[in-house]
Amino acid sequence: DTGVSQNPRHKITKRGQNVTFRCDPISEHNRLYWYRQTLGQGPEFLTYFQNEAQLEKSRLLSDRFSAERPKGSFSTLEIQRTEQGDSAMYLCASSSFQGRETQYFGPGTRLLVL
Amino acid sequence: SQQGEEDPQALSIQEGENATMNCSYKTSINNLQWYRQNSGRGLVHLILIRSNEREKHSGRLRVTLDTSKKSSSLLITASRAADTASYFCATQGMLTFGGGTRLMVKP
Repeated sequence: DTGVSQNPRHKITKRGQNVTFRCDPISEHNRLYWYRQTLGQGPEFLTYFQNEAQLEKSRLLSDRFSAERPKGSFSTLEIQRTEQGDSAMYLCASSSFQGRETQYFGPGTRLLVL
Repeated sequence: SQQGEEDPQALSIQEGENATMNCSYKTSINNLQWYRQNSGRGLVHLILIRSNEREKHSGRLRVTLDTSKKSSSLLITASRAADTASYFCATQGMLTFGGGTRLMVKP
């Protein structure tokens, strides 16, 4: 088990383009979380999956954002029509049902929208 | 708004000294967690303290929780240069983080 992985690690895109990020959680973890972190701030919760079900979404998750976890394993986060304000680090975390309070984070995907 | 707020925002100490950072939160909690983040990288879970616990230790880390004051503190003893990082407290299941304390340990 190599922990939570995220791809790509860095993404530079032009305003208006769509981007998609992938997160592979720790294999036995059924809970998966997405957070966004801007420079100098703590992470902000975006959305959460238990298995393939998306159970909670933050108000931060505008209609340009969509997340999926189709088979209850990896997850994707898509941002449509990117804006400069979307520039941030996007973090994924996973947890097991038994130890659900402790979340294990991936290295993040750093997005820069020009 | 963020649930937890860390204090101080930045802390610079010499290697070997102790570092103390504080966290305040607003609503009732079931547990509070501390995480560390090295520059530009993901977060690493350090320690979890439950609402019915007052103090917890893990290696060089000591965490206290005062639910009456809605506050927690993280003490790192005998600091090392490798402890240089940002430290965040977080509450509840969908973790709500504060802005963090940026700790610099000078060799």
